[in-house]
Parts: sequence; structure tokens; C-alpha cells
Amino acid sequence: DADVTQTPRNRITKTGKRIMLECSQTKGHDRMYWYRQDPGLGLRLIYYSFDVKDINKGEISDGYSVSRQAQAKFSLSLESAIPNQTALYFCATGEGAGRYNEQFFGPGTRLTVL
Amino acid sequence: QQQVKQSPQSLIVQKGGISIINCAYENTAFDYFPWYQQFPGKGPALLIAIRPDVSEKKEGRFTISFNKSAKQFSLHIMDSQPGDSATYFCAASISGTYKYIFGTGTRLKVLA
Repeated sequence: DADVTQTPRNRITKTGKRIMLECSQTKGHDRMYWYRQDPGLGLRLIYYSFDVKDINKGEISDGYSVSRQAQAKFSLSLESAIPNQTALYFCATGEGAGRYNEQFFGPGTRLTVL
Repeated sequence: QQQVKQSPQSLIVQKGGISIINCAYENTAFDYFPWYQQFPGKGPALLIAIRPDVSEKKEGRFTISFNKSAKQFSLHIMDSQPGDSATYFCAASISGTYKYIFGTGTRLKVLA
């Protein structure tokens, strides 16, 4: 679905390079998340944001940084990419009245660090 | 304590059979348990979810069974179809935190 878009969809980069993965959403959700997916490890939370002024570290934030430029935009940066950051990266938005939260995922960015 | 253990890692089922995926958790503060379905090249999408005040939830061919005392929950796919071939993730959340802990995923293949 085009509600959560990620760019680029595929990226090959070299060790030491700085790269940015971008996420945009048209759902109007305040909550946004970045995950990485690795075979056998599932989805792990990197960073999350509940509004433009709120940024929080997830389980595996080392080596990553984020920027919430607007309600609709949440970018993930790798300051100095390393090969073990090769993974599938997903952006998600969150919505839910009350205390529960459904998350809506983008199509993913496949990142390869050589 | 924050882990969600999922098994099996992969599963092959004949068309029409029952697919069963299991998850276990330790943190008794978890009170929301969704299952996400992911097709190749796509992001995960919510399939079905349960809260611990019920022991079972059914939506069409998909059923979650929940055992609070054992701290386990499972997804049953009845009459499995080739179109169900996907990766399935269980997850757990503490209400109000709006964060999930995901299991490691199960790759399901349904043979025609």
C-alpha cells in the first residue's frame, strides 16, 4: 500500500559511508517506528517516535540515528555503515485509540553494506 | 524477560491441513498479542490479535489460542491454502507503551 512509503527500496553501499533511509506516511499517524529484519532474528526495534518532538531508542539503536522532520516523515541514518548492518529495514506507523496499537508497515528497504 | 520465543522456524503443510505456530513469553506484564503476516517483498500486516481476558479468538480460518498460565499463545490456520504461504510473526505488547516485541518468525509453505 502507498500509505507508508520508503525510499530507496534497495541500496548497496560501502563500509564507512553515511546513508539515509527515508519514510513518509499519509495515514496521519503520530507514532512512527524503524525496525530491522534479519533471518532468524525477526523484527527488532531501532528507534521510535510518538510525535515530532519525541524520539526514543529501541532495542538496537547503536550505530543508527533518526530525524523526525514532520509528522509524516521519519528518517533513519547510518553514520558509518558496517557490513553487519546489512538487513531489511522497515518503517511503520502506529494507530489505536486507547491503550492498544496497530502498526502499519512500509514495503521495506533492502540495504547491503559491502 | 522481554523475549518472545517462536517456533517452528519453518513449516511445510499440505493444502487443506492445519498449520500451527507457537509462541511463548516470560513477562507477565504483556497484555496484547498480535500476529503479523508478511508476504515476500512486502511489509508485515496485522492478521489477528488477542488480549489475555479471552482464551481464544477466531477470524475466518485463523484462530489464536491463548494459555495465560503457561504464558503461551499459538496461531492455528485451518484448511491451509497455498495463498497462506508467508512468514508469520507473533508479538507481545504492554498496553499503553505502543511498542511490540516480535518473535523470530515462522516461514510457512503450503503445498498445493
